[in-house]
Amino acid sequence: DAGVIQSPRHEVTEMGQEVTLRCKPISGHNSLFWYRQTMMRGLELLIYFNNNVPIDDSGMPEDRFSAKMPNASFSTLKIQPSEPRDSAVYFCASRFTRLGTEVYNEQFFGPGTRLTVL
Amino acid sequence: KQEVTQIPAALSVPEGENLVLNCSFTDSAIYNLQWFRQDPGKGLTSLLLIQSSQREQTSGRLNASLDKSSGRSTLYIAASQPGDSATYLCAVGGFKTIFGAGTRLFVKA
Repeated sequence: DAGVIQSPRHEVTEMGQEVTLRCKPISGHNSLFWYRQTMMRGLELLIYFNNNVPIDDSGMPEDRFSAKMPNASFSTLKIQPSEPRDSAVYFCASRFTRLGTEVYNEQFFGPGTRLTVL
Repeated sequence: KQEVTQIPAALSVPEGENLVLNCSFTDSAIYNLQWFRQDPGKGLTSLLLIQSSQREQTSGRLNASLDKSSGRSTLYIAASQPGDSATYLCAVGGFKTIFGAGTRLFVKA
């Protein structure tokens, strides 16, 4: 299995530009998570999806951030317009969640996208 | 609101030493607890997952315990090696996952 795949691995952009981060979860996993990691705030959950449906987006910092999951094998996180304070490492993670039970399996993380907004 | 605390924030030990990393959480209503390892500039690697009904899990030189009632988990690393140097994070939850800030471990050769 290829694991969780993220692209690009590095992104440098200028303030005001649109940024799109991409994620391919592990095949068979039905839950997908977007996190942001900074030195100051640590690892923060931005949004998570179950069966392609956004369940909780309370961690999304502002309306400038949006996320979609059009199908089970692809998700995007978009920032428009980007600002320097958005600079961080963005991780995508996935897991299998057996709904109707209280068993939640391991999360597996992608390698992350290091975003720098100048 | 769930809060997860990891102590110590940083730890330096000589090679071969056994060590314990601590994780505490404020809300005991969790479904599981997961320990991760993160190397500098890399993603998170899952080490162990403990379901709420379990008390411990073991993998090689690693042993993780969970005491829900007291809101605590420990990660025990036996016979530490320089290759164990990394940041270790614990994460609690179920549907949602809340991470601690991590313990940065350095094992000296």
